[in-house]
Amino acid sequence: AQTVTQSQPEMSVQEAETVTLSCTYDTSESDYYLFWYKQPPSRQMILVIRQEAYKQQNATENRFSVNFQKAAKSFSLKISDSQLGDAAMYFCAYRRGGSYIPTFGRGTSLIVHP
Amino acid sequence: ETGVTQTPRHLVMGMTNKKSLKCEQHLGHNAMYWYKQSAKKPLELMFVYNFKEQTENNSVPSRFSPECPNSSHLFLHLHTLQPEDSALYLCASSQELAETQYFGPGTRLLVL
Repeated sequence: AQTVTQSQPEMSVQEAETVTLSCTYDTSESDYYLFWYKQPPSRQMILVIRQEAYKQQNATENRFSVNFQKAAKSFSLKISDSQLGDAAMYFCAYRRGGSYIPTFGRGTSLIVHP
Repeated sequence: ETGVTQTPRHLVMGMTNKKSLKCEQHLGHNAMYWYKQSAKKPLELMFVYNFKEQTENNSVPSRFSPECPNSSHLFLHLHTLQPEDSALYLCASSQELAETQYFGPGTRLLVL
């Protein structure tokens, strides 16, 4: 069974600084997708970034970028120029290609200090 | 953030009550999902519907009963719940199965 591990229950960052959230996963599949979701205090889960395993290039969305290390099965999220609005729970998720059932990690709570 | 809406946002019910959670998606998607989010646990997929047909029941107790009358609406009927059922219940939708899911704001349920 696939597992997704987020080893940091909580992370802190100063406004305007950069923070990296870690995620590792375990799979024997070669075709899969990885996601980072953000869940602010209002509770609406929002897709931040998505990475296809077959793509070597790391996905980027504005201030959010990932470091996808396929061999190491690592998928970290880097947030640059952190803003107060970035404070939220961040969930890493894995989905096997062709499957519609994602596996989520337990989440990392990001605190942004002004 | 209005693509997937859920009502009510908060619900308190006794163990003998019957209530329903509603989810509506305005994205033209064909697949809808119910998840349970408990404190300090990963999201748990409960049910999946594709074109109104249930394709997944993740061993959910029968006190949770889903209903999908059309591709835009999804209900979760609750009866004789237990205190351990208290959680945030999230609805999601995707264009097709195995595509990116978009979530609603959730219903915070407290069972007394």
